Amino acid sequence: AQSVAQPEDQVNVAEGNPLTVKCTYSVSGNPYLFWYVQYPNRGLQFLLKYITGDNLVKGSYGFEAEFNKSQTSFHLKKPSALVSDSALYFCAVRGDNNAGNMLTFGGGTRLMVKP
Amino acid sequence: DAGVIQSPRHEVTEMGQEVTLRCKPISGHNSLFWYRQTMMRGLELLIYFNNNVPIDDSGMPEDRFSAKMPNASFSTLKIQPSEPRDSAVYFCASSWGQGLFRGNQPQHFGDGTRLSIL
Repeated sequence: AQSVAQPEDQVNVAEGNPLTVKCTYSVSGNPYLFWYVQYPNRGLQFLLKYITGDNLVKGSYGFEAEFNKSQTSFHLKKPSALVSDSALYFCAVRGDNNAGNMLTFGGGTRLMVKP
Repeated sequence: DAGVIQSPRHEVTEMGQEVTLRCKPISGHNSLFWYRQTMMRGLELLIYFNNNVPIDDSGMPEDRFSAKMPNASFSTLKIQPSEPRDSAVYFCASSWGQGLFRGNQPQHFGDGTRLSIL
């Protein structure tokens, strides 16, 4: 079985400050990890993924995420938040020995960036 | 490039009516997923197709729900009869993956169908 936990329902940050959105996971085998963003009345948009290699992954819109195998975490980060980053963020995982092609999504974290 | 296209974007209908949601995946993608999103339950996977064949439908709530993928460029999700508790946003997503790349490619989502059952 595979699972994802996003422990914070909401994260509040001031514009210009760094932001972190937390994600921890549980899988059999090695993880494939993804972050998605959802704006109002839109579908989920892919931000970045970790498959293998460097633990720090860079993605769209200045976001990055750090894979930590020992802590089974994949936290999303951005050095300087923008008001336009306010949205719902989802972490997702699939174990590489999962026979199917399905991702397991976390419950989502709402990011609020205040001017 | 055209992304995943869903129709209709909004659907309002009365309880008991049949509802059909449509999805056109990205050309060349071989996996298709139907999800349901609600405030209470978050994002739920309903069914997953690979190469037009249903692989896992364990998330389909009950027999009132059915999904088909007659070819690589079209899928439908049908609810018959519909009930108020089916009100949600339904998303279709597609991805490509086979061999070594199976499961490590991102899913691409449509903008969803907002379904309201009165």
